[in-house]
Amino acid sequence: AQSVTQLGSHVSVSEGALVLLRCNYSSSVPPYLFWYVQYPNQGLQLLLKYTTGATLVKGINGFEAEFKKSETSFHLTKPSAHMSDAAEYFCAVGGGGADGLTFGKGTHLIIQP
Amino acid sequence: EAGVVQSPRYKIIEKKQPVAFWCNPISGHNTLYWYRQNLGQGPELLIRYENEEAVDDSQLPKDRFSAERLKGVDSTLKIQPAELGDSAVYLCASSLDEHEAFFGQGTRLTVV
Repeated sequence: AQSVTQLGSHVSVSEGALVLLRCNYSSSVPPYLFWYVQYPNQGLQLLLKYTTGATLVKGINGFEAEFKKSETSFHLTKPSAHMSDAAEYFCAVGGGGADGLTFGKGTHLIIQP
Repeated sequence: EAGVVQSPRYKIIEKKQPVAFWCNPISGHNTLYWYRQNLGQGPELLIRYENEEAVDDSQLPKDRFSAERLKGVDSTLKIQPAELGDSAVYLCASSLDEHEAFFGQGTRLTVV
């Protein structure tokens, strides 16, 4: 069984400030980890993913995340927030096969001008 | 290359009526997923297809939901009859391998 916990249903940061969105997972198999972004009335767009190899992964729009096995975490960061980053962010875990993803409940990122 | 296409984008129906959603995956993607996303929640898997075979439908409410994927390409998800609690966004996704799933824009269903 797999599960994802995203800490904070809403996160508010000032434009230009650091963005940190937290994700912890549980998986009985080596996990594949994903961050997706969802803009209003849109589908999900992949930001970045961890499958194997380097634990620090870089994605689109300046986002990155680090896989920490000992902490079962996969937190998403961006050094400087932009107004266009305002959206819903979902962390997801997969089992390494094409079984489908288990998603967290999402974090709504608010950017203050 | 076209992405995953879903239609309709929005649907409003009265309870007890039937409704159907259509999905056209990315060309060549053998795996197709249907997810349901309730308001304020993450997507939850309903059914997964490998080509035309439903290999995981354990989360599909089979009393009122059905799905098919004819010829292993397009897929249709049906609800009959719809209930108020079925109001949600229904997302279709496809993948070539386990490394990434590509999502459509979804169909927002409102049951009144």
